[in-house]
Amino acid sequence: SAVISQKPSRDICQRGTSLTIQCQVDSQVTMMFWYRQQPGQSLTLIATANQGSEATYESGFVIDKFPISRPNLTFSTLTVSNMSPEDSSIYLCSAGQGTDTQYFGPGTRLTVL
Amino acid sequence: QKEVEQDPGPLSVPEGAIVSLNCTYSNSAFQYFMWYRQYSRKGPELLMYTYSSGNKEDGRFTAQVDKSSKYISLFIRDSQPSDSATYLCATGTTSGTYKYIFGTGTRLKVLA
Repeated sequence: SAVISQKPSRDICQRGTSLTIQCQVDSQVTMMFWYRQQPGQSLTLIATANQGSEATYESGFVIDKFPISRPNLTFSTLTVSNMSPEDSSIYLCSAGQGTDTQYFGPGTRLTVL
Repeated sequence: QKEVEQDPGPLSVPEGAIVSLNCTYSNSAFQYFMWYRQYSRKGPELLMYTYSSGNKEDGRFTAQVDKSSKYISLFIRDSQPSDSATYLCATGTTSGTYKYIFGTGTRLKVLA
């Protein structure tokens, strides 16, 4: 299994600003994923981040709004750009090794005013 | 139709009861099946992971997969108040992106 930490754990931001969320894994992993979870709803995949290549975004999510970096096999960042209240959500990163399952971080609770 | 359907609950049971949580999925290409437990204000925690049809047991937890009917279940024996959480089922395929699809989660409350 992998242990995953996220920073910040929560934040309150103003409309129009950007927030970068960091995700650190305690071991090298092939794949990292970013999800959004809104209250009472399931996890929605934003993008898959593989080291050394551009992130792959799911339908409805674009790079300009959610730029992702994956500089090495243990770290990734997700930026939520030009935020609006609709971006208020929990953002989760997870890590996996191909066919292995995914392990999740504790999440970042974002409130946009 | 959603790719993974899960009753959101809430489900309330007395301590010691056997709990049955269920999901259905639509895509026969799904090969992997997981159950996650998520406590309030925490990230999902992997409980069970199975690749094939049949049962997999781990302590008080049993995961069951029926690929012919596209039905997955999680049974919790001797349920405890500490089992109170939201349980998420997930399915995935190794074709292409290793993407997983999650159910909406079932909120479980075990009453002492």
